[in-house]
Amino acid sequence: NAGVTQTPKFRVLKTGQSMTLLCAQDMNHEYMYWYRQDPGMGLRLIHYSVGEGTTAKGEVPDGYNVSRLKKQNFLLGLESAAPSQTSVYFCASSPTTYGGYEQYFGPGTRLTVT
Amino acid sequence: RKEVEQDPGPFNVPEGATVAFNCTYSNSASQSFFWYRQDCRKEPKLLMSVYSSGNEDGRFTAQLNRASQYISLLIRDSKLSDSATYLCVVTNAGNNRKLIWGLGTSLAVNP
Repeated sequence: NAGVTQTPKFRVLKTGQSMTLLCAQDMNHEYMYWYRQDPGMGLRLIHYSVGEGTTAKGEVPDGYNVSRLKKQNFLLGLESAAPSQTSVYFCASSPTTYGGYEQYFGPGTRLTVT
Repeated sequence: RKEVEQDPGPFNVPEGATVAFNCTYSNSASQSFFWYRQDCRKEPKLLMSVYSSGNEDGRFTAQLNRASQYISLLIRDSKLSDSATYLCVVTNAGNNRKLIWGLGTSLAVNP
């Protein structure tokens, strides 16, 4: 099992450019999440999904969109990147079992917006 | 008040020492609790879940005190490889599928 994978690992964008971050999991998890992590701010939830075809807003959704067309994939889009979106982005997934609320993370994408 | 509070440290300890981290959470209705470990520039990794009765995994012991809304992590016989940031995590009281993250406690184990 690869677990949770993320592509790309690194990216540099200019202000106003767009990009899509891809997250894939092979654990058959129902729940998937996108976080950003900034120094001194901890992990903040951007969007999450409770199943294929569903998405919901997290704590900091503005400037991001997501899609979950397949159970194993969760995409995060930046339509018009801003320097404030420079961050490390982590994807996570969580099992479906009752009480199984722990989350498993991908290796992250380091995004710089200039 | 932050929902999950941790002492940021850093804790500097020699190899072989015992070190304890504490964490408090604000919502008494939170149901599940975890400790994660995060190495520099890496993803958080689940270290252990925390159960009401307390639980142990090798050199690591986690305790939960619901009355005081307090979670602890004890590391015995510290190794150099234990150097990392330890994140205290609780489930959102209104939605167990959302986690609330502490900012972490930094540990450096020195030779």
